[in-house]
Amino acid sequence: AQSVSQHNHHVILSEAASLELGCNYSYGGTVNLFWYVQYPGQHLQLLLKYFSGDPLVKGIKGFEAEFIKSKFSFNLRKPSVQWSDTAEYFCAVTYNFGNEKLTFGTGTRLTIIP
Amino acid sequence: DAGVTQSPTHLIKTRGQQVTLRCSPKSGHDTVSWYQQALGQGPQFIFQYYEEEERQRGNFPDRFSGHQFPNYSSELNVNALLLGDSALYLCASSSGPSGRSNTGELFFGEGSRLTVL
Repeated sequence: AQSVSQHNHHVILSEAASLELGCNYSYGGTVNLFWYVQYPGQHLQLLLKYFSGDPLVKGIKGFEAEFIKSKFSFNLRKPSVQWSDTAEYFCAVTYNFGNEKLTFGTGTRLTIIP
Repeated sequence: DAGVTQSPTHLIKTRGQQVTLRCSPKSGHDTVSWYQQALGQGPQFIFQYYEEEERQRGNFPDRFSGHQFPNYSSELNVNALLLGDSALYLCASSSGPSGRSNTGELFFGEGSRLTVL
């Protein structure tokens, strides 16, 4: 069965610090990878996604993620975080194209200190 | 353009009762998926509806059932509620099931928070 691991449960950073959130998945075949974000009091929304092609994908609000197939990883990065990035971040994977069921990680709570 | 809407937003039930949660998909979407998010966990896939049929199902017992209506809206029903069913129930919509959409993006509602006492 597929699984997604997010090892950082709660990350606290100061504004302007660099961010990297880890995500590892278990399935060894073709995968589609996603990062979703949930801002306080809001619904889950897509941050970025990887289907194929360039393993470095760029998303909204200056976020990017790199797919490293050999490491089964899809880490999320941002060079300089802002207070408004405070949110819960979920990595998710699906093993087929399109709208198959997503398997989510347990999430990483990010707190940015002004 | 309305996004995904869910009702009710909060509800409290007692063990053994039944509950029905409702979801209206984003305009233009025809596929609805339901997820359960327990406290401190990521969302877990319950099932997906397309063309009024259950297309995929996650590892949830038969107490969890659903329905999709001709207008693409959907209901999630849970019978014989257990304490462990307390969670945030998320509805997500998309345009077509696997292979019919080139975005792979799900649009989520804000969820229905169910508390079972």
